Amino acid sequence: EPEVTQTPSHQVTQMGQEVILRCVPISNHLYFYWYRQILGQKVEFLVSFYNNEISEKSEIFDDQFSVERPDGSNFTLKIRSTKLEDSAMYFCASSRTDRRNTGELFFGEGSRLTVL
Amino acid sequence: TQLLEQSPQFLSIQEGENLTVYCNSSSVFSSLQWYRQEPGEGPVLLVTVVTGGEVKKLKRLTFQFGDARKDSSLHITAAQPGDTGLYLCAGVSYNNNDMRFGAGTRLTVKP
Repeated sequence: EPEVTQTPSHQVTQMGQEVILRCVPISNHLYFYWYRQILGQKVEFLVSFYNNEISEKSEIFDDQFSVERPDGSNFTLKIRSTKLEDSAMYFCASSRTDRRNTGELFFGEGSRLTVL
Repeated sequence: TQLLEQSPQFLSIQEGENLTVYCNSSSVFSSLQWYRQEPGEGPVLLVTVVTGGEVKKLKRLTFQFGDARKDSSLHITAAQPGDTGLYLCAGVSYNNNDMRFGAGTRLTVKP
């Protein structure tokens, strides 16, 4: 069964360092997302990406964040200068249609980011 | 911004018991999804409900969408330890197409 894969599963970094989280969405999906979940808290939307551009972003997704689809398969989230409060589980998701149509998202297993 | 309130926040029951968890909002949803999340993993889609009053069954799980499409419930019959996890509802707002997750109900089923 097709699945969303994410790497790394866990990354520990020093405050101020750049981090890149990688995702391979399901191959026939057209919409890609990043969500984050701080330990014990809600799943929060960060950004959606369609047709090689950002289609929607939340207030969390500030100038420190960027996304890219450098080739036909990978979808990356970059945090330029990490802060302590960026420590969270970051989930990539993909869908065949816009999440705002059906909400049916397929999530990866997440990348746990720990900022020291 | 619509809020999705899930209740109860925590639920611990014995194997074999039945349970119902709720997802409520003051907003109308064009669709609502239930996901299950296990520790250290991503949410896994269980079901999507779209029509007011709709009932969907997934083995021992029964999902209902309220007539007004503002709320939903998940009923589990004869719970098993494998049902343990965080149950999340997520709704797409009818008004602004915004999609939000609830905080979840953490279910523990003890053998």
